[in-house]
Amino acid sequence: SQKIEQNSEALNIQEGKTATLTCNYTNYSPAYLQWYRQDPGRGPVFLLLIRENEKEKRKERLKVTFDTTLKQSLFHITASQPADSATYLCAQERGGADGLTFGKGTHLIIQP
Amino acid sequence: NAGVTQTPKFRVLKTGQSMTLLCAQDMNHEYMYWYRQDPGMGLRLIHYSVGEGTTAKGEVPDGYNVSRLKKQNFLLGLESAAPSQTSVYFCASRRDRGGSGNTIYFGEGSWLTVV
Repeated sequence: SQKIEQNSEALNIQEGKTATLTCNYTNYSPAYLQWYRQDPGRGPVFLLLIRENEKEKRKERLKVTFDTTLKQSLFHITASQPADSATYLCAQERGGADGLTFGKGTHLIIQP
Repeated sequence: NAGVTQTPKFRVLKTGQSMTLLCAQDMNHEYMYWYRQDPGMGLRLIHYSVGEGTTAKGEVPDGYNVSRLKKQNFLLGLESAAPSQTSVYFCASRRDRGGSGNTIYFGEGSWLTVV
């Protein structure tokens, strides 16, 4: 079955640097991937969606790439700020059924 | 707009008790979902609904029942709570079918502890 894998270890980044988070998937290439942000005690919030035929998508300081050869999506936050500290979730459609399959998320910590 | 609203936010149950979590959305979305989130497990789909009067099983449906009597509401029931159902529950909704790439909106979560 399809799996979404994210680095479950916390990622510590110095303020002002670029944070890069990785999402790997197994088996088939999804039609698109979505990225969500989740703050402690809150529900996930949608950030970006990238389609299979798109190499890159940008929104302000956020950038997502999609490499179907590597079966991987990268999520970048440039000029990172302490307010960017959160858990970031990668998700894809469940094959043959509805709803999203989520990775376990990567906890990002931006240190001042 | 309130978006997706879940009640209650916190609840402690004794093993064997029953309860219902209520989810309401004001975006006129067709699709609604119930997820649970556990440490180290990520978000897992319990049940979902593709429209009023319909429900379907997700990845981890055992021990739960759902109903979608009105388009705006999606209820998650625990008939006989077990400690393994201690979790954070998230309700979510989306406009229509996932193939169009539309995103999912989540509620703020309901923290359930079964003792």
